[in-house]
Amino acid sequence: NAGVTQTPKFRILKIGQSMTLQCAQDMNHNYMYWYRQDPGMGLKLIYYSVGAGITDKGEVPNGYNVSRSTTEDFPLRLELAAPSQTSVYFCASSYGTGDAPLHFGNGTRLTVT
Amino acid sequence: DAKTTQPTSMDCAEGRAANLPCNHSTISGNEYVYWYRQIHSQGPQYIIHGLKNNETNEMASLIITEDRKSSTLILPHATLRDTAVYYCIVRVYNTDKLIFGTGTRLQVFP
Repeated sequence: NAGVTQTPKFRILKIGQSMTLQCAQDMNHNYMYWYRQDPGMGLKLIYYSVGAGITDKGEVPNGYNVSRSTTEDFPLRLELAAPSQTSVYFCASSYGTGDAPLHFGNGTRLTVT
Repeated sequence: DAKTTQPTSMDCAEGRAANLPCNHSTISGNEYVYWYRQIHSQGPQYIIHGLKNNETNEMASLIITEDRKSSTLILPHATLRDTAVYYCIVRVYNTDKLIFGTGTRLQVFP
């Protein structure tokens, strides 16, 4: 079982470039999440989805977009990269709310210069 | 979501029990307490969660006080590989989010 798979592992972007961070899960989880983690800090929620076709903003959504066309995939789009978006990005999935743990991928380390 | 308060850092000798405290004084009746840990820059790893009763699994035990305003994660025999940042999180039953704080950095020494 692969669990939550994130690609790429590392990426360097120039200011103003765009990219999509990929996230896929094979556990048939309805709930998926994107977090970012800045150095020495905890994780902050960017966007989340409770099922295909449904997305909602988290704590820090500005500068990002998401879509959820299938249960398995939840890509995160950066349209105009800025140095403030330099961070480690984690995707997670969950069976449901409350009593269901989140399972995390191993992250994408993004540097914007 | 209820806020949590954890010590910034703790030390523990290898082979001894590590007891990590967490205060969540504003917790509501339908909020779960979750514990995750993060080793280096890997993705957070789920450890354990509970609502009212104490819980135990192969990794750890979770002790929740009767008033539910605080909890303790217990690693019964800490190893060097348990060195990590440990996050205590409370989560409302019918919401979809885990909100992380800054956690406790546990250092296990030989």
